Amino acid sequence: AQSVTQLDSHVSVSEGTPVLLRCNYSSSYSPSLFWYVQHPNKGLQLLLKYTSAATLVKGINGFEAEFKKSETSFHLTKPSAHMSDAAEYFCVVTEGRGSTLGRLYFGRGTQLTVWP
Amino acid sequence: DAGVTQSPTHLIKTRGQQVTLRCSPISGHKSVSWYQQVLGQGPQFIFQYYEKEERGRGNFPDRFSARQFPNYSSELNVNALLLGDSALYLCASSLASGGDTQYFGPGTRLTVL
Repeated sequence: AQSVTQLDSHVSVSEGTPVLLRCNYSSSYSPSLFWYVQHPNKGLQLLLKYTSAATLVKGINGFEAEFKKSETSFHLTKPSAHMSDAAEYFCVVTEGRGSTLGRLYFGRGTQLTVWP
Repeated sequence: DAGVTQSPTHLIKTRGQQVTLRCSPISGHKSVSWYQQVLGQGPQFIFQYYEKEERGRGNFPDRFSARQFPNYSSELNVNALLLGDSALYLCASSLASGGDTQYFGPGTRLTVL
């Protein structure tokens, strides 16, 4: 079965400092992994995805994530936080390609606060 | 190209009523999935449809039903509403039903009084 654990419910950083949002996953298959962002009262926007190509995945707005199979982790990072990055971030796992069902399994979310 | 669209944006109902939510996928996408997001939690999978057939169902009661139309748009119906059904209902579309990336609409905020 697939599951995701986001290790921090809240992360606070100062503008211009690095961001680290942690995610561990469990999957019976070769998984596809995603990070989505949700701004207040908005839908979910895809930040980046991993689908068994390069283990370091670059996304939009300067975010990137590294897939580490040995640690079953998929942490999200950004070198320098911006005020506009303040939002809820979700780590997501699904069965990989070849699966007939694309059900997404979401973590509980990490609320990122960016201080000026 | 237009993204995933959902209607209505907001909805207020009372307990016991029925509600229908609508979703139009991205042009060319044949799969639609529905998720429920309760305040403070991650979205939970309700249904996935592909080519008008149900491909998967999450752990939701039979009060929840859905269908997909020939133009790939979809409706989610919830009968006998309970207070606990208050949530943001998200629709996502993808090219197919496997591990393809799902793109989300803005959601419908349902409040049950």
